[in-house]
Amino acid sequence: QKEVEQNSGPLSVPEGAIASLNCTYSDRGSQSFFWYRQYSGKSPELIMFIYSNGDKEDGRFTAQLNKASQYVSLLIRDSQPSDSATYLCAVTTGGSYIPTFGRGTSLIVHP
Amino acid sequence: DVKVTQSSRYLVKRTGEKVFLECVQDMDHENMFWYRQDPGLGLRLIYFSYDVKMKEKGDIPEGYSVSREKKERFSLILESASTNQTSMYLCASSVTGTGLYGYTFGSGTRLTVV
Repeated sequence: QKEVEQNSGPLSVPEGAIASLNCTYSDRGSQSFFWYRQYSGKSPELIMFIYSNGDKEDGRFTAQLNKASQYVSLLIRDSQPSDSATYLCAVTTGGSYIPTFGRGTSLIVHP
Repeated sequence: DVKVTQSSRYLVKRTGEKVFLECVQDMDHENMFWYRQDPGLGLRLIYFSYDVKMKEKGDIPEGYSVSREKKERFSLILESASTNQTSMYLCASSVTGTGLYGYTFGSGTRLTVV
């Protein structure tokens, strides 16, 4: 049984701070890792993907992957109230195009 | 802008009705998916399709069926709606391959069965 675990939160951070969202996964064969943002009442939107160990940066977002420790993180720098949403982690295993989703972490950025 | 379009944003249906949820994508994606999302349960895969006229059961297919007559269109059918099928339904598509590029989701259909 493949599992993807996220702390449900809410994670509350002040505006301008760094928000750190974490995700652990159980399948060592996992190869592709995705972060989706979902605003309340809306559908998920892909914001980052990462395949290799290390960091990947895109604007204020940085995805960090550590396959040895089986975790992937999303850092949001200079957090804004508009970043308040639920963040879903998703993981695929080599040969499969169907990800296993975590249940998401709720992020609240307060002014 | 590429899109996955779900025909209805909100639907209210009666118990026992046959319900059709439509999804159309304009990205020429091979793979299409139907999920439902419920508080505390996350996203659950109902059915998926990797080609026209092909379909595969996901984790919770009971009470549902699907149709994919054309590449761009993937329909979810609730054969006889029940109150426990009240949920947010999300359609998604992706390119073929090894899941490298993630999903594009539609805007969702919030279905209420009364």
